[in-house]
Amino acid sequence: GNSVTQMEGPVTLSEEAFLTINCTYTATGYPSLFWYVQYPGEGLQLLLKATKADDKGSNKGFEATYRKETTSFHLEKGSVQVSDSAVYFCALSRYNQGGKLIFGQGTELSVKP
Amino acid sequence: GAGVSQSPSNKVTEKGKDVELRCDPISGHTALYWYRQSLGQGLEFLIYFQGNSAPDKSGLPSDRFSAERTGGSVSTLTIQRTQQEDSAVYLCASNPDRSKETQYFGPGTRLLVL
Repeated sequence: GNSVTQMEGPVTLSEEAFLTINCTYTATGYPSLFWYVQYPGEGLQLLLKATKADDKGSNKGFEATYRKETTSFHLEKGSVQVSDSAVYFCALSRYNQGGKLIFGQGTELSVKP
Repeated sequence: GAGVSQSPSNKVTEKGKDVELRCDPISGHTALYWYRQSLGQGLEFLIYFQGNSAPDKSGLPSDRFSAERTGGSVSTLTIQRTQQEDSAVYLCASNPDRSKETQYFGPGTRLLVL
């Protein structure tokens, strides 16, 4: 079946550090891939997405590239801020499965000033 | 415009009681999804509606869980004879149709079963 695996947290970084959160997936065919973010006390919101191999999603300085050969969609940011502290979820969906999202377990990021 | 809304925001109930959770999707969104977020299980898919039909109920954990959608809009998730393991945050999401892929999430209902 379809599944998503993320690196475990919590991840603690200093402000302006480089961030990588690893995400790998298992799926048949060609899923769409997503990163969702949940800020403290807020709901889930889409951070970025990619719908086909080699696509790069980007938003708010975050980037992730859809790598089919390694079945990965790692999240990166060159310089994190305190305001990036949140829980990050990698997810996939398949159009022919109704578009339901299959989530990884989430990675908590804490950025210290 | 208005986003996805859910009510109540918090619900405390006693074991064995029934609860109803409501979701109001974004107007015009035909696809609606329910998910559950719990400490032990992370974020899990429960059920998907396209219009008023539910083509995929595969995530409902037991027959105590049911959901319906009326008028292609509001959805209600019902949990009968609640158990302590039902304690979680129940999230609703919608999108214009499943092909659009980006789902818009509500704030969730936090359910605590005592």
